[in-house]
Formats: sequence, structure tokens, C-alpha cells
Amino acid sequence: NAGVTQTPKFQVLKTGQSMTLQCAQDMNHNSMYWYRQDPGMGLRLIYYSASEGTTDKGEVPNGYNVSRLNKREFSLRLESAAPSQTSVYFCASSEGGASVTEAFFGQGTRLTVV
Amino acid sequence: GENVEQHPSTLSVQEGDSAVIKCTYSDSASNYFPWYKQELGKRPQLIIDIRSNVGEKKDQRIAVTLNKTAKHFSLHITETQPEDSAVYFCAATQSGGYQKVTFGTGTKLQVIP
Repeated sequence: NAGVTQTPKFQVLKTGQSMTLQCAQDMNHNSMYWYRQDPGMGLRLIYYSASEGTTDKGEVPNGYNVSRLNKREFSLRLESAAPSQTSVYFCASSEGGASVTEAFFGQGTRLTVV
Repeated sequence: GENVEQHPSTLSVQEGDSAVIKCTYSDSASNYFPWYKQELGKRPQLIIDIRSNVGEKKDQRIAVTLNKTAKHFSLHITETQPEDSAVYFCAATQSGGYQKVTFGTGTKLQVIP
């Protein structure tokens, strides 16, 4: 049982390049999330998916797109990377629905945009 | 929307002393309050949680209290150890189609041996 797995762990991009962060969970969770973590700002929600087939914007969605490929997988795409997107990105999942339970996090992706 | 404030942002204690971290929330619809510990370079992991129908919960050296009327909740760590050094995040969660989770900005705890 791997939990939440995200790739890659580290990435350096040049301004204007694109990339996709991959996330998969094996806990049969309904809800999945993408957060970014910046010093002193906690975890801010970029996008979420309440259930398979649905996605919605969070607090800081500009510059990102997401795809809920199936119940297991939720990817985050940066179409044209900017230095302001330098951050640590975490994918997370939770049961969702009527069950209010903890969120399980992936190991994080440290992204640097130069 | 929900707003979660967390204090202090940094906290240094001597080994063996107690540490207290406080959070306030704004939306009375929040009904689940987890606390996460994040060690340097690692992912956040749940250490304790409390639901809105409970006032206090303990797990060995860690306890959480909730005051729904005042909309605040606190994490208490007793007999601190160097391995407690980490960043701690509180969160307020609302049930629904998806769990709307709002995190505090984190507290960096340093336990001095």
C-alpha cells in the first residue's frame, strides 16, 4: 500500500516551459487535491477534484490546469512556467463525500523556475 | 470562506517543557480539525485530530482542545523531545462533496536539548 505517490521529486524549468506533475493514490479515495507550499504561507489549494470526473479551482489556480484521469490519478499541468511558480507542490487525497477524514499527502515536488 | 489563523509562527522550548500552538477559525460550518506535523523535507502527516462534537482528545504526549463557541482549538505537546522539532499545521475542515480544508500558516517548533 503506497498511499499517495507523486512524480517527479525535483524539477528545474526555464521560464515558459511546460510540465505535468503526476499523482496517484491507491486508497480508493474520492477526493484529490493539489497544494503549493511557500515559506510562511502554509498550504494553499490550487485545484481539487471532489470525485472522478470533476475538478474545480481552489485558492490559487492561475497558471495551472488539472486532469482527473480516473479515480486513482490527478495531474497538475503548468502550461508556461513562471518564476512565481517556484514552490513545493503536494498532491493529497481523502475519502471525501460525507466522510470527513484526514488528508494523505504525497512526498512533494520541489519545482524551481529560472 | 474559511480563514484559519495560527500562532505563534515560531516556538522554541527546552527539552522536557510543554509547547502550545493555537488556531482560530471563522466558519462555524467547520466540523473536523486535524493537526499535521511536517519534518524538514518531508510530507505533512496527521498527528491528531478532533471533531466538533468533542472538546478534548489525548494521544500520549499530544492533546488537542476545541472551543466551538470561541472558534479556537489548540495543540498541546508535553515533555517535548528533540524529535518533536518540526513545522506543525492546524486545519479546519468542512464536509460536503469534497472536504474543504483550510490550513493555518504553520508553526516551526524547535526543541532545544
